[in-house]
Amino acid sequence: QVQLQESGPGLVNPSGTLSLTCAVSGESMSSDSWWSWVRQPPGKGLEWIGEIYHSGTTNYNPSLESRVSVSVDVAENQFSLKLSSVTAADTAVYYCARVRVEPAPSFDSWGQGTLVIVSS
Amino acid sequence: DIHLTQSPFSLSASVGDRISITCRATDNIINYLNWYQQKPGKAPKLLIFAASTLQSGVPLRFSGSGSGTDFTLTISSLQPEDFATYYCQQSYSTSITFGGGTKVEI
Repeated sequence: QVQLQESGPGLVNPSGTLSLTCAVSGESMSSDSWWSWVRQPPGKGLEWIGEIYHSGTTNYNPSLESRVSVSVDVAENQFSLKLSSVTAADTAVYYCARVRVEPAPSFDSWGQGTLVIVSS
Repeated sequence: DIHLTQSPFSLSASVGDRISITCRATDNIINYLNWYQQKPGKAPKLLIFAASTLQSGVPLRFSGSGSGTDFTLTISSLQPEDFATYYCQQSYSTSITFGGGTKVEI
């Protein structure tokens, strides 16, 4: 059973860079899965941020692409998110999740989520 | 981007009711449509993938249908633990998108 756990600062200054890491256990990140970040502003819906394959191939939300970077460390079995030039609009619960490829692409495992507040 | 519109935005129902939630895509996504349930303070949970396939462990009262641009999630007999927010999500495009959510309330 794969498990994911987010970690990182819960408070980020405006104009700074948000950095989070997701530790994966129970499955090697070299498997045929994508590893993704999703966020949810307080009281609002889900927004996909981006994803990475163990090869390093990435896909990003076009609305965030200029500010986002997702990287992977297969040896450590973890992947990371960096979001630059943050504003209050980036305040959200950030989830990491596995995108299972077969039998159909879907988010089948999620971390518990971590709240990141952008404020000075 | 492929935009997903869910309706209704919210609905009130009672235990035992049959309810349906619809999700409409702006482009043909074939059957690359998934449904999730989210309870307050918790991560979303996958209910249905590929439009109509029940995820392992999900009760049989949940079902999904549709293809192309129009999809439906149905709960045949609402249980107390089903009061939650439901989201659709498309994986047809490499730019993944979610619907806005439907809150099911008592």
